[in-house]
Amino acid sequence: DAGVIQSPRHEVTEMGQEVTLRCKPISGHDYLFWYRQTMMRGLELLIYFNNNVPIDDSGMPEDRFSAKMPNASFSTLKIQPSEPRDSAVYFCASSPGDSGFVGEAFFGQGTRLTVV
Amino acid sequence: AQSVTQLGSHVSVSEGALVLLRCNYSSSVPPYLFWYVQYPNQGLQLLLKYTSAATLVKGINGFEAEFKKSETSFHLTKPSAHMSDAAEYFCAVSPNFGNEKLTFGTGTRLTIIP
Repeated sequence: DAGVIQSPRHEVTEMGQEVTLRCKPISGHDYLFWYRQTMMRGLELLIYFNNNVPIDDSGMPEDRFSAKMPNASFSTLKIQPSEPRDSAVYFCASSPGDSGFVGEAFFGQGTRLTVV
Repeated sequence: AQSVTQLGSHVSVSEGALVLLRCNYSSSVPPYLFWYVQYPNQGLQLLLKYTSAATLVKGINGFEAEFKKSETSFHLTKPSAHMSDAAEYFCAVSPNFGNEKLTFGTGTRLTIIP
């Protein structure tokens, strides 16, 4: 398996623009997570899905952020409108959820977002 | 609620020396505990995990960790550091009844001195 695939790897956008980050989880994994990593706040869980259904979105910072998982092989994280403070590395991760256990997560390489 | 505290945001050791990265947990239920490693410009990768089967857990790249309930600790060790161990290390916790998200620590950056 190719692992968790994220695109793009780097994104530079102007403040106010819409940004869409994409993720393809590992085939067969039931759980998908979106994380954000910054120097100031470390690694933050934004939202996670189980079988394409959002389970916990309490980490989504504002209404400007939204995430979807239309099917088992694709998820998006959208920021509209973007702001400079959204600059961060965004990671997608998936987990097999064997026997309901989600602890072992497989991470993508991340998308480095810069909002200018 | 679960949380982990990593003592020391930066640790430097000489090549060949012992590596010790500290993690203490707080959990209202028996926890599962994890160590992840992040190499520069990469995502996180699982090093090892404790799921109550054995208190001493061996992971990849020669790392191991010991679960000590009396000390609420899960420190990561490696007997002899290698240059390739330079990375950021994250401790994480989840409840042991599954279906729950991981809570990560703030990370420890390990530097290896030649």
